[in-house]
Amino acid sequence: EAQVTQNPRYLITVTGKKLTVTCSQNMNHEYMSWYRQDPGLGLRQIYYSMNVEVTDKGDVPEGYKVSRKEKRNFPLILESPSPNQTSLYFCASSLGVEDYGYTFGSGTRLTVV
Amino acid sequence: ILNVEQSPQSLHVQEGDSTNFTCSFPSSNFYALHWYRWETAKSPEALFVMTLNGDEKKKGRISATLNTKEGYSYLYIKGSQPEDSATYLCAFHPSGTYKYIFGTGTRLKVLA
Repeated sequence: EAQVTQNPRYLITVTGKKLTVTCSQNMNHEYMSWYRQDPGLGLRQIYYSMNVEVTDKGDVPEGYKVSRKEKRNFPLILESPSPNQTSLYFCASSLGVEDYGYTFGSGTRLTVV
Repeated sequence: ILNVEQSPQSLHVQEGDSTNFTCSFPSSNFYALHWYRWETAKSPEALFVMTLNGDEKKKGRISATLNTKEGYSYLYIKGSQPEDSATYLCAFHPSGTYKYIFGTGTRLKVLA
């Protein structure tokens, strides 16, 4: 089944403890992206990747890192999480950056205390 | 800062009613507009990708139109059913970028 798999689905962590949210797609998509969803705000783009080893900042990249060493994986790294990073995170991929829609992962609800 | 606005924020309709909502985006540097359907406790699912002024796309009872010159897109649902209840998101893709800017969505509730 074609899908984007995110793990974990839920995570509660403490301020400053490094964490990684994994994202993997099995559709050979070139373009991958991370978003966060907060109440009253639209999905906001954190980082995106056009292909292997090519990444760039979205609109809210502060406090996050990403890597794209393989086409299928695009992990989101929080080196020192803070409470303002408590949010619902979505990974998404698409065949290309042109006129293709996204396939979204199932989401990760992160709470930083 | 590019702004994408959706209206209304929320909408209640009766089963069988037809409804529509709007996505407004900057009319300059347009590349594409996406529509997504997002059910509670699930992930957004792509409905339409629209790229040409005057585009009209249809999937079952749902259709969408695009006006890039004036910067808006309409999503229509004909004969709404309870299973249409969801949040409908639009995402604007400006030309010359790899970014997508999402609106805050229209939350639709169809009452049986």
